[in-house]
Amino acid sequence: EADIYQTPRYLVIGTGKKITLECSQTMGHDKMYWYQQDPGMELHLIHYSYGVNSTEKGDLSSESTVSRIRTEHFPLTLESARPSHTSQYLCASSPTSGYNEQFFGPGTRLTVL
Amino acid sequence: GDSVTQMEGPVTLSEEAFLTINCTYTATGYPSLFWYVQYPGEGLQLLLKATKADDKGSNKGFEATYRKETTSFHLEKGSVQVSDSAVYFCALVPNSGNTPLVFGKGTRLSVIA
Repeated sequence: EADIYQTPRYLVIGTGKKITLECSQTMGHDKMYWYQQDPGMELHLIHYSYGVNSTEKGDLSSESTVSRIRTEHFPLTLESARPSHTSQYLCASSPTSGYNEQFFGPGTRLTVL
Repeated sequence: GDSVTQMEGPVTLSEEAFLTINCTYTATGYPSLFWYVQYPGEGLQLLLKATKADDKGSNKGFEATYRKETTSFHLEKGSVQVSDSAVYFCALVPNSGNTPLVFGKGTRLSVIA
C-alpha cells in the first residue's frame, strides 16, 4: 500500500546530540516537505524538495538540514539539538502533476532536554 | 503574497450542532483550495478540495464551496459528532501549482456529548 512513513514517532534526547528524523514515501511522488508544528498548531514550512538533489529552505528559518539522494527518502538532520527544537515535525509529499495536494506522515514528536 | 485566514478557535459545540469554520484567502489567479483535518497524535489528512470557482468539495458529511467573489471556502457540517473533534486547516495552492501549500493557522474543534 502506498504510504508515507516517519520514524521515530517519539524521540527524547539530550542537548547537543545529533539526530536524524527519517521520512520515506512509497507513493512515487517527486515533491517532499518538512513542517514544524508549534504547540498552537500552526504549521511552518522549514524545507522542501522537488526532486533528487534539489532542496530549498522554507518560510521558517531552521537550524536543520535535509538531503534528497533518493526519490523516496527525505531525512532531516539536526547537528546539535537544543531545547528550542522541541516540537512536532511533519513530513509530506505531493505528486508533480495534478493539484499539488499533499499527503502527510504521522509525525515525529521531538523533545530535547 | 498568497495567504489564508481562518477563524480562530477553539470552537466548542454540542453533539448534533451545526458547524461552520470560516476561511478566506488572498491569491492571484485561481488557486486550488483544500481543507485538512488533524486528529490527536496524527498527521494531517485531506478532508476535501475544490479546484475551481463554484466547485463544492464534500466528504464525511463536511462541505465547502469555492466562492471566488468573496474569496472564501467555509467548512460546514450539518450535525457534528464527538469523533469530529480535531484541528482543521484551510489551505491553498496557487494556480501555478509549483509552490508548496499555504496553510491557515488551524482551528481546534471540540465536540461534547
